[in-house]
Amino acid sequence: TQTVSQSDAHVTVFEGDSVELRCNYSYGGSIYLSWYIQHHGRGLQFLLKYYSGNPVVQGVNGFEAEFSKSDSSFHLRKASVHWSDSAVYFCAASMGNYAQGLTFGLGTRVSVFP
Amino acid sequence: GGIITQTPKFLIGQEGQKLTLKCQQNFNHDTMYWYRQDSGKGLRLIYYSITENDLQKGDLSEGYDASREKKSSFSLTVTSAQKNEMAVFLCASSRQLTEVFFGKGTRLTVV
Repeated sequence: TQTVSQSDAHVTVFEGDSVELRCNYSYGGSIYLSWYIQHHGRGLQFLLKYYSGNPVVQGVNGFEAEFSKSDSSFHLRKASVHWSDSAVYFCAASMGNYAQGLTFGLGTRVSVFP
Repeated sequence: GGIITQTPKFLIGQEGQKLTLKCQQNFNHDTMYWYRQDSGKGLRLIYYSITENDLQKGDLSEGYDASREKKSSFSLTVTSAQKNEMAVFLCASSRQLTEVFFGKGTRLTVV
């Protein structure tokens, strides 16, 4: 069984601040990891993914994430947030057979204040 | 680009009723998914399908049926709606090891 945990339910930051959203997983094999964003009342949109290679991956809108096998983590970061980054962020993971679907964390709500 | 279309956007049903949610994708993706999103519980996989006429159960399949009669469409049936049930059902599609694209969801309310 694989699990994905996001330790922060809600994060509050000011515009221009940096933010890091934590994601940890439990699975011993090869893993596919990704982050999604969901603005209020909208569907989920893909931000970035990691499967192999460079552990730091770049995504859209200045987001990046770093994979750590030793920490079983895939934290998401942004150096300078904008008010439009206010949304719920979901970390998701899948075992090596990607077709079996994604297991999602419970999400982290980010509120950006001016 | 492509799009995933879910119908209806809002669905109101009565307790015990059988309800069907539909999903169409024009990405030509092989794999399609149905997720349920509840407030505070994240997304949970109900069914997925890796090709036409294939069906695989997810963690939350009890109380649901699914059908993949064409590559482009994937429908979900709530076999007996539960009173006061309220959730958003998200359809998604992907190719292997690429991003998953989501529809905008069907919001179900059972009265």
